[in-house]
Amino acid sequence: KNEVEQSPQNLTAQEGEFITINCSYSVGISALHWLQQHPGGGIVSLFMLSSGKKKHGRLIATINIQEKHSSLHITASHPRDSAVYICAVRANTGNQFYFGTGTSLTVIP
Amino acid sequence: DSGVTQTPKHLITATGQRVTLRCSPRSGDLSVYWYQQSLDQGLQFLIQYYNGEERAKGNILERFSAQQFPDLHSELNLSSLELGDSALYFCASSVWGGGNEQFFGPGTRLTVL
Repeated sequence: KNEVEQSPQNLTAQEGEFITINCSYSVGISALHWLQQHPGGGIVSLFMLSSGKKKHGRLIATINIQEKHSSLHITASHPRDSAVYICAVRANTGNQFYFGTGTSLTVIP
Repeated sequence: DSGVTQTPKHLITATGQRVTLRCSPRSGDLSVYWYQQSLDQGLQFLIQYYNGEERAKGNILERFSAQQFPDLHSELNLSSLELGDSALYFCASSVWGGGNEQFFGPGTRLTVL
């Protein structure tokens, strides 16, 4: 059983579309992270959330602690957003990190 | 550039061998995290150090060990290597030991032949 589930696994969008990636988790957490991994392999942390909502440019991340669910939204998507987006949680017991399997996003011009 | 450096970038070795991966955190960061990313298992958390002390432990095999030195750089030692240890190994750092944003290094790609 995976502690973190992401959907969809793969996503293709036209440039300019609004995109939503979902993450559900089954453990109690102290924080949730959204990561971006580009085709070259490098990983960038986009957001760290423990409650509410955060916005950075065209990216918005929300979390609902009661429902154990988070969403990552990309507004006005662009081909440079093409990457794998990974949801990760830090469990509040043991401080373990659990990762989703990632959502591969392709934005077509 | 995240400010986190990892060496070497690539490492090719044989089964049964021992290797050491090195990570230098961003200036001022006290915490270092190690992760393994393989094709079949995805990203997995190995271990975290905070200011020289082990803070959290994940799915780290007994053949693997890590430490964080007084200058805050960290090393991950992998011994008795198996084919299945071939993976990308990432190091990340953060300011504190708790819920902070992490900054990832470029990774070390280990190939075990």
